[in-house]
Amino acid sequence: EAGVAQSPRYKIIEKRQSVAFWCNPISGHATLYWYQQILGQGPKLLIQFQNNGVVDDSQLPKDRFSAERLKGVDSTLKIQPAKLEDSAVYLCASSLGNQDELFFGSGTQLSVL
Amino acid sequence: AQSVSQHNHHVILSEAASLELGCNYSYGGTVNLFWYVQYPGQHLQLLLKYFSGDPLVKGIKGFEAEFIKSKFSFNLRKPSVQWSDTAEYFCAVAITGGGNKLTFGTGTQLKVEL
Repeated sequence: EAGVAQSPRYKIIEKRQSVAFWCNPISGHATLYWYQQILGQGPKLLIQFQNNGVVDDSQLPKDRFSAERLKGVDSTLKIQPAKLEDSAVYLCASSLGNQDELFFGSGTQLSVL
Repeated sequence: AQSVSQHNHHVILSEAASLELGCNYSYGGTVNLFWYVQYPGQHLQLLLKYFSGDPLVKGIKGFEAEFIKSKFSFNLRKPSVQWSDTAEYFCAVAITGGGNKLTFGTGTQLKVEL
C-alpha cells in the first residue's frame, strides 16, 4: 500500500516569498491533516479536512497560511508571505476516518532565510 | 485545552538496558493516548495506542505503555532495548470523541549504544 506522498522534500526561500506544499493521502482516506513541526517541538495541528471540507483550522495563521483540498483527495498548503518563524517541517497525514489511525508522510522541510 | 509533557528530552542507553519514557497529560476529561516513533530518516509511525479497557497496552517491537488515570500518565516501556530502537519518540493525546485532533509532546530522542 502506498503511503502519504509529500513534495517537495526540502524548500529554501527568503522571507516575504511565498511557498506551497503538496500532499497526496493514502487512497480512500477521507481525513487529511497538516501539521507544523518546529525544531525541538512536537507536531502541531494546523488544519484538518474531512473530504474537501475543513473540520478544524483553529491553529492556522490565516493571515498568511491557506490550505485547500480539492475533490477531497490531494491537498496544498500555502504560505504567503513567509516569515523566519515559519521555518519548520510541514507534515501531512491521512486517516480512513476521523477516529482512525493517522499515517504520516515524510514531510517538507522549509527553511526561511 | 489539553497539553502533553515529556520529561526526558534525550536518553542514552546501552543495548539490553530497560527503557521507560515518561509522558503526562493535562485534561480533565476522557482521552485517547498514543505513542509515535520516528526512526532516523523515516516518517512518524504509530507505536501503540490506548482508547479504553486494559490500561496496559502492548504495541509493536516489544513496546508497552501503561495508562495510570490518577497520575495522568502514559509511560512507555521496553524491557530490553536494541540498537535499532534509536529514534525519536512522541507521546500524543486526543480528546475522546474529538475527532483525532492529536496534541503531541516535545519528543524524546533515544540513542541506544552497542
